[in-house]
Amino acid sequence: GESVGLHLPTLSVQEGDNSIINCAYSNSASDYFIWYKQESGKGPQFIIDIRSNMDKRQGQRVTVLLNKTVKHLSLQIAATQPGDSAVYFCAENIKEGRRALTFGSGTRLQVQP
Amino acid sequence: DTGVSQDPRHKITKRGQNVTFRCDPISEHNRLYWYRQTLGQGPEFLTYFQNEAQLEKSRLLSDRFSAERPKGSFSTLEIQRTEQGDSAMYLCASSVGQGYTGELFFGEGSRLTVL
Repeated sequence: GESVGLHLPTLSVQEGDNSIINCAYSNSASDYFIWYKQESGKGPQFIIDIRSNMDKRQGQRVTVLLNKTVKHLSLQIAATQPGDSAVYFCAENIKEGRRALTFGSGTRLQVQP
Repeated sequence: DTGVSQDPRHKITKRGQNVTFRCDPISEHNRLYWYRQTLGQGPEFLTYFQNEAQLEKSRLLSDRFSAERPKGSFSTLEIQRTEQGDSAMYLCASSVGQGYTGELFFGEGSRLTVL
């Protein structure tokens, strides 16, 4: 079946460094992607989204890059802070369908002080 | 707090019992979703409502599972004859819109433990 997945299950970075979390997707019909952050004991929280007609989108300290050629999505977090420690999921949605988001299995980000 | 509310937050039950979870979405959000999440995994889609209509159900949703949203506001998810494999976090989310799913606002989940 088609799926969204992540390359690295755990990423450990030093406070102040930049973090890059990667995600591969296989559904060529997907054209809308979202990154979510989930802290322990809480529901996922929206971070940033991107549509397939874009290859980059920036938010506050976060940037999402989309490479449709290789079906790859990444989330860059600038100046990583301890509060960024969480599990990060990418999710995809197919245009025109009524399907809900399909989530990948997540990457845990650990920020070392 | 006007976020998505779920109740109960934790439920421990014996195998074979029925359980029901309730979700109150953000008011005026016409879409409501149920997801299931097990440890270390991403949320898995179960079902989705637009207003009171249940528009999509996952193959994960066996006949022991039923969800309702009778007045297009709150929703309930019932699991009958629970099995140990049903142990998971059940997440509810809501959103507004007609086209793209858009940003989902998740509740903090209802954790089910089946003994």
